Amino acid sequence: QVQLVQSGAEVTKPGASVKVSCKVSGYTLTELSIHWVRQAPGKGLEWMGGFDPEDGETMYGQKFQGRVTMTEDTSTDTTYMELSSLRSEDTAVYYCATVGDSSGWYYFDYWGPGTLVTVSS
Amino acid sequence: DIQLTQSPSFLSASVGDRVTFTCRASQGISSYLAWYQQKPGKAPKLLVYAASTLQNGVPSRFSGTGSGTEFTLTISSLQPEDFATYYCQQLNSYPFTFGQGTRLEI
Repeated sequence: QVQLVQSGAEVTKPGASVKVSCKVSGYTLTELSIHWVRQAPGKGLEWMGGFDPEDGETMYGQKFQGRVTMTEDTSTDTTYMELSSLRSEDTAVYYCATVGDSSGWYYFDYWGPGTLVTVSS
Repeated sequence: DIQLTQSPSFLSASVGDRVTFTCRASQGISSYLAWYQQKPGKAPKLLVYAASTLQNGVPSRFSGTGSGTEFTLTISSLQPEDFATYYCQQLNSYPFTFGQGTRLEI
């Protein structure tokens, strides 16, 4: 059973950066592919990016290109999502999720509880 | 990017009703579609993947069908705990887009 534990809520200012962590337990990070999804208040789900095990590369949504960096620390089984040049529209709950693979069919099966990031001056 | 359009955006129903949600993709995605249920303040929960495969532990009253560009999620007999927002997601190609959601209310 995979468990994902995310870092606590953050309040940041416009123009700053935020780094959210997602610690895996039950499996090692090397066995998993982690993606990030965000949800602005009262809005829908928005995919941000994640690790593609087929290519061995991290894929980012075009909307976030140049502003987001996703990294992993396999020694602690923790993955990070850093978003820079924050603006008020980045206020959202940020989720990490594992990508399941059943005979080549993908899905997001385990989700973290979410981290609220508030961008406000 | 592949766009997913869910309909309706909002649905009012009663316990025991049969309800169907639709998700349309802007281009063919084979069966690379998943459905999630989300309750307020909670993370999404996977219900269905590969368009029609029920995730372990999901009640059999949920079912998914479709391939290509048209997909449906049906709840055969609504239970009180089913009132939530439902999202589809395509995993055929990056970016892994979500539909805008269908909110199911009593």
